[in-house]
Amino acid sequence: KQEVTQIPAALSVPEGENLVLNCSFTDSAIYNLQWFRQDPGKGLTSLLLIQSSQREQTSGRLNASLDKSSGRSTLYIAASQPGDSATYLCAVREVEYGNKLVFGAGTILRVKS
Amino acid sequence: NAGVTQTPKFRILKIGQSMTLQCAQDMNHNYMYWYRQDPGMGLKLIYYSVGAGITDKGEVPNGYNVSRSTTEDFPLRLELAAPSQTSVYFCASSYINLAGDGDTQYFGPGTRLTVL
Repeated sequence: KQEVTQIPAALSVPEGENLVLNCSFTDSAIYNLQWFRQDPGKGLTSLLLIQSSQREQTSGRLNASLDKSSGRSTLYIAASQPGDSATYLCAVREVEYGNKLVFGAGTILRVKS
Repeated sequence: NAGVTQTPKFRILKIGQSMTLQCAQDMNHNYMYWYRQDPGMGLKLIYYSVGAGITDKGEVPNGYNVSRSTTEDFPLRLELAAPSQTSVYFCASSYINLAGDGDTQYFGPGTRLTVL
């Protein structure tokens, strides 16, 4: 059974700092991996999607990497801003259950001004 | 283009009551999903649908039912609500072709349900 773990569970950093969020998964047979952002009381917004054949994706200050063989992904946020404060969720897409997403519990990020 | 919409946003139920959570998407996606999110936990799949008229159970289907009569709508029915069903419910949709290639899942804003 696929399990997704995110470390750390919470992170508080000063504005301007570069930071790394970690995600690990137990079964490397995945279609893709996604990073989502969730603001309090809101739905999920997709940040980056990495196909299983890719190594990384970039969008603005965000860079996500994928090492499928070791079951790891990292989300790198450059020059963090208070507006980056949110919960970041990692999810892998599986074949079974209708191509469902298996989610980690998330990393709660707070960027202090 | 509204994306994925959910109603209601909030609801309080008494134990044993029933209700339907509504979900609609206007992106002509074939796949639709219902997840629940409990505090401090990741989302867990309740039910999913691969197209109109086709539904199947996810990881945590007990106490729920779904139907998919149209491509756009995927309502989730709670029968005999229990305190364990207190959660935030998210509907999502995506397009996946016959080869299994697909886009990201798009999520609705969620329904916060409390059962007392």
